[in-house]
Amino acid sequence: GENVEQHPSTLSVQEGDSAVIKCTYSDSASNYFPWYKQELGKRPQLIIDIRSNVGEKKDQRIAVTLNKTAKHFSLHITETQPEDSAVYFCAAKLTGGGNKLTFGTGTQLKVEL
Amino acid sequence: GAGVSQSPSNKVTEKGKDVELRCDPISGHTALYWYRQSLGQGLEFLIYFQGNSAPDKSGLPSDRFSAERTGGSVSTLTIQRTQQEDSAVYLCASSLGGTTGEQYFGPGTRLTVT
Repeated sequence: GENVEQHPSTLSVQEGDSAVIKCTYSDSASNYFPWYKQELGKRPQLIIDIRSNVGEKKDQRIAVTLNKTAKHFSLHITETQPEDSAVYFCAAKLTGGGNKLTFGTGTQLKVEL
Repeated sequence: GAGVSQSPSNKVTEKGKDVELRCDPISGHTALYWYRQSLGQGLEFLIYFQGNSAPDKSGLPSDRFSAERTGGSVSTLTIQRTQQEDSAVYLCASSLGGTTGEQYFGPGTRLTVT
């Protein structure tokens, strides 16, 4: 099965700085990589995703990059704001595995004023 | 439209009792998932339903856990003879299925086993 590792587990940045969270996956057959944001006490929500035929995707201050050869993908948040503080989860979906997602263990991002 | 709903929002039960957790997916979503999230931990996959296909039960931690999805809509996760280590937030999600990946999560049920 798929295994997803996520680093770091906690990340503290100053407001306005960039934040980068990295994930690696084990199964080269994975083809879909979403990122979810979970604010304290709330449900996870999709913030951006990327498919295996694309190397990079951007949405305003958020971007995701994918390196299929190395089997890793990263979330980049620029110009961080206090409301970006949350737990971020990466995930991977196997081709042919239905839509089952394997999640990373999460990164607690804190944006300090 | 209405999102994924779950009930109850909180459940406190005594060790050894059975519990049922309910999930109402978004109307029209053919795929439904159950996850478990322990305090400060990630999302642990439990079970996945897709249309009329046999469910993927590969994430269920023991035979005390089971789930049903009736009529392709509402799902119930049952935990028999609960143990303290079952205490967690149980999250349900649904998606359109097919190759569309986005999963929409419910608010979760916080289960506490005393």
